[in-house]
Amino acid sequence: NAGVTQTPKFRVLKTGQSMTLLCAQDMNHEYMYWYRQDPGMGLRLIHYSVGEGTTAKGEVPDGYNVSRLKKQNFLLGLESAAPSQTSVYFCASSPTQETQYFGPGTRLLVL
Amino acid sequence: GNSVTQMEGPVTLSEEAFLTINCTYTATGYPSLFWYVQYPGEGLQLLLKATKADDKGSNKGFEATYRKETTSFHLEKGSVQVSDSAVYFCALNNAGNMLTFGGGTRLMVKP
Repeated sequence: NAGVTQTPKFRVLKTGQSMTLLCAQDMNHEYMYWYRQDPGMGLRLIHYSVGEGTTAKGEVPDGYNVSRLKKQNFLLGLESAAPSQTSVYFCASSPTQETQYFGPGTRLLVL
Repeated sequence: GNSVTQMEGPVTLSEEAFLTINCTYTATGYPSLFWYVQYPGEGLQLLLKATKADDKGSNKGFEATYRKETTSFHLEKGSVQVSDSAVYFCALNNAGNMLTFGGGTRLMVKP
């Protein structure tokens, strides 16, 4: 039982490049979330999903898109990366709307 | 809207010292309250939670009591260890799909 896994662990992008971050969970959770973590700002919710085929905007959705084609996977896309998107990205899943289980994070550097 | 305020860190303590990390919140209604811990290089893990007023959450020697009259959920531990060094996040869920996090408090415990 791997829990929540994230791919890749670390990535460097140039401004304007695109990439997709993958989150996978093997706990059959309905809810999945993408956060970004910046120094001194805690975690801020980017997008979330309440079930397969659904997505919704969080607190800071601009510049990101997401998809939940399969229940176990939640993809976060950056179409045109900007230096302001340099951050650590965390995925989480939850069986309810409360306790969340987090992945190990993806560190992204945009030059 | 919902918000969570934590004391700024870092908090530096000697081993076996008493720990308090303050957390206050703003929310309508009756939110559930959480403490998450993030060890270096890892994702967040749920430490404890409380779902109604006067509830006490506890785990691994840590405790926090849901105080509605003071809108607080302070984290305490009677005797910290070096292995408790981490970043601690207070969070709330107010009957919705999202957790609202505080900015995090870094704890450093010296031998």
